[in-house]
Amino acid sequence: NAGVTQTPKFQVLKTGQSMTLQCAQDMNHEYMSWYRQDPGMGLRLIHYSVGAGITDQGEVPNGYNVSRSTTEDFPLRLLSAAPSQTSVYFCASSPTYPTTDTQYFGPGTRLTVL
Amino acid sequence: AQRVTQPEKLLSVFKGAPVELKCNYSYSGSPELFWYVQYSRQRLQLLLRHISRESIKGFTADLNKGETSFHLKKPFAQEEDSAMYYCALLTGGGNKLTFGTGTQLKVEL
Repeated sequence: NAGVTQTPKFQVLKTGQSMTLQCAQDMNHEYMSWYRQDPGMGLRLIHYSVGAGITDQGEVPNGYNVSRSTTEDFPLRLLSAAPSQTSVYFCASSPTYPTTDTQYFGPGTRLTVL
Repeated sequence: AQRVTQPEKLLSVFKGAPVELKCNYSYSGSPELFWYVQYSRQRLQLLLRHISRESIKGFTADLNKGETSFHLKKPFAQEEDSAMYYCALLTGGGNKLTFGTGTQLKVEL
């Protein structure tokens, strides 16, 4: 199986544009999450989902929306891109909660907002 | 509030020297801690978790609740250990991972 996949790998947006970062996993994992990685700040949790139809906010949710209509997909939407959202975005999944299972990370999407 | 602190942005050691990557945490509950590693051009991956009390690739980490620390150690560094290392704390009732800012380990020949 492919594991956790993310598209696109790179994206450049102008301020105010919207877009969706795609994340999919083929391991039938219940738990999925989105992080952003910024220099000097590590990884910060944006949103997470413990199953289809269930999502919740992480540490830095403002400016981002998520939905989980299927077990496999967990897209991240930027409603109106801002330069502060320039970052590398990682999607991750695990069979259940992070406490009992390893989180598997995607390869990342590098986003630049001009 | 929960917090994970990795005081060193960069740690440079010679091959064969001992390695200690520091991690301190702040959390009011019972901590569950992890070390994740990101090798160059690879995905972030779990290295070890404290509840497993395991040694992976020669690395160990002991939870010290008195000092609120979870330092990562290896007695003899290898060139292939060069990577970015993140300490992470489980919070939010087991739903959220709080990461530290990471330490870049560079093993020199």
